Amino acid sequence: GAVVSQHPSRVICKSGTSVKIECRSLDFQATTMFWYRQFPKKSLMLMATSNEGSKATYEQGVEKDKFLINHASLTLSTLTVTSAHPEDSSFYICSARPSGNSQYEQYFGPGTRLTVT
Amino acid sequence: QKEVEQDPGPLSVPEGAIVSLNCTYSNSAFQYFMWYRQYSRKGPELLMYTYSSGNKEDGRFTAQVDKSSKYISLFIRDSQPSDSATYLCAMKTGGGNKLTFGTGTQLKVEL
Repeated sequence: GAVVSQHPSRVICKSGTSVKIECRSLDFQATTMFWYRQFPKKSLMLMATSNEGSKATYEQGVEKDKFLINHASLTLSTLTVTSAHPEDSSFYICSARPSGNSQYEQYFGPGTRLTVT
Repeated sequence: QKEVEQDPGPLSVPEGAIVSLNCTYSNSAFQYFMWYRQYSRKGPELLMYTYSSGNKEDGRFTAQVDKSSKYISLFIRDSQPSDSATYLCAMKTGGGNKLTFGTGTQLKVEL
């Protein structure tokens, strides 16, 4: 149980285009989902916390207009990288916390490798 | 100073060895301490979770938290090649959702 999927697993796009990444909790409902970014040999950096039915909470330094987050249902959150640039190339990972579970519990997706050319 | 410090390694050990992985932190408000295992190009998988100070054992894995020293450890006994991965420590305060991660230690267990 507690499986989180991400789609696509990798994507290559041209500079200036937008890319949408989906995060799904497959066998549980998640009121809260999280979006992280991971650089090589660096720690996971929390970008934003996504709550079903409300606006996402962004971490300091993360542009909300560039990284659009939509958490429309209890099993799906999407991250759209708008007007992507090469510096947006990274590994994006989502996690989901089962509704009603302990605060520490987060289950991670397999990640999406974004390359902007 | 980073909130969480973790030696990136790589750490290479022979099969069967006891592995010790460590993190130090500066924020005394951290109360929840977690260890994740991440295989290459995969998302992190929760291994161990500890609340406040103390030890916790689960099979070959033991997690220790020393809040007075702001130091946490993960021990792996009888290490196997399948344990080869990056191990990330993560911490959380009592309130809020945010996990603060270390950079991860790359472990290689060799035959």
